[in-house]
Amino acid sequence: EPEVTQTPSHQVTQMGQEVILRCVPISNHLYFYWYRQILGQKVEFLVSFYNNEISEKSEIFDDQFSVERPDGSNFTLKIRSTKLEDSAMYFCASSSQGTSGGWGTQYFGPGTRLLVL
Amino acid sequence: GNSVTQMEGPVTLSEEAFLTINCTYTATGYPSLFWYVQYPGEGLQLLLKATKADDKGSNKGFEATYRKETTSFHLEKGSVQVSDSAVYFCAPRVNQFYFGTGTSLTVIP
Repeated sequence: EPEVTQTPSHQVTQMGQEVILRCVPISNHLYFYWYRQILGQKVEFLVSFYNNEISEKSEIFDDQFSVERPDGSNFTLKIRSTKLEDSAMYFCASSSQGTSGGWGTQYFGPGTRLLVL
Repeated sequence: GNSVTQMEGPVTLSEEAFLTINCTYTATGYPSLFWYVQYPGEGLQLLLKATKADDKGSNKGFEATYRKETTSFHLEKGSVQVSDSAVYFCAPRVNQFYFGTGTSLTVIP
């Protein structure tokens, strides 16, 4: 069964450093998403991406964040200058176009645990 | 705005007990409703969904019915197993998902 994969599984970085989290969505999916889950808190939407553009983003997704689909398979989340509060589990998800005409069922990757020291 | 309220955990049950995890939501528009499950050390997995009022989603013995009049989507299972131990997230979707805080379930033999 196809699945979303993410690398690395864990990353430790120093405050102020740039990190890039990588995701390989399911191959025939067209919509891509990033979520995060701070330890002990709810899963929060960050951004959605379709047709090489951001479709929607939350208040969390400020100028420190960016997303890119650098080739036909990868979907990346970059944090330019990490802060302590960026420590969280980051989930990538992908979906095909649903019957509602937009966002089908989203399939999630296993997550990347980011720790900012 | 859009939000979801989920039953607080943690919940501890004995094997074969009946499970209910309550979920209520507020949404602008007509959401689709989902339950996701997160097993230890893994990502979120879709458990079940319902896309319109009175639909019942079901999977692996779990069920939830879309109740528009009460804006609820409570998760139930008649007889839980140890392997059901996980965190369960209620997630209405109006374009993006709005996740609940998650309910941790531990099933003891």
